Amino acid sequence: GAVVSQHPSWVICKSGTSVKIECRSLDFQATTMFWYRQFPKQSLMLMATSNEGSKATYEQGVEKDKFLINHASLTLSTLTVTSAHPEDSSFYICSAKGGFSGNQPQHFGDGTRLSIL
Amino acid sequence: LAKTTQPISMDSYEGQEVNITCSHNNIATNDYITWYQQFPSQGPRFIIQGYKTKVTNEVASLFIPADRKSSTLSLPRVSLSDTAVYYCLVEPRGNQFYFGTGTSLTVIP
Repeated sequence: GAVVSQHPSWVICKSGTSVKIECRSLDFQATTMFWYRQFPKQSLMLMATSNEGSKATYEQGVEKDKFLINHASLTLSTLTVTSAHPEDSSFYICSAKGGFSGNQPQHFGDGTRLSIL
Repeated sequence: LAKTTQPISMDSYEGQEVNITCSHNNIATNDYITWYQQFPSQGPRFIIQGYKTKVTNEVASLFIPADRKSSTLSLPRVSLSDTAVYYCLVEPRGNQFYFGTGTSLTVIP
């Protein structure tokens, strides 16, 4: 149980393109979803937290107009990297949590490798 | 933020028990401690979660002392496939948390 599917697994595109990444909880309802960014050999860096039906909360230093997050249903959240540039190249990972209590662990997708040329 | 401190790296021979300790001095009353495993180019995978004392599942044990300011993940009889990065995470209700550096475990044949 508790499977999170993330698509696409990798994408290569030209500078200036907008890229959408999907995160789905397949067998549970995700009250909260998280988006992370990870550079090679570094830890995960939380970008934003989203609750179904409400606006995402972005971490300090993350541009909300650059990284658009939509959490339209209890099973789907999307991250759109708008007008992507080479410095946006990274490994993006989503996670989902069911319920509101603190003891619900996060369940992670397998990440999306984004390369901007 | 509930920050955590772990050793950057550890080496172990196959078949040995590995213990990875995490410090979380400013853990709050309602916080839980969760450990994740991450392989290269994959998302982290849930290993175990606990609040106090000892928790055991089919892959690991988690020891948490009474003051809860640290926790120890114990992996029995590691194999080469356990080579990965291990993160401890303190997860409060407010969803404010911090992924530390993690511990890169290398299992040697």
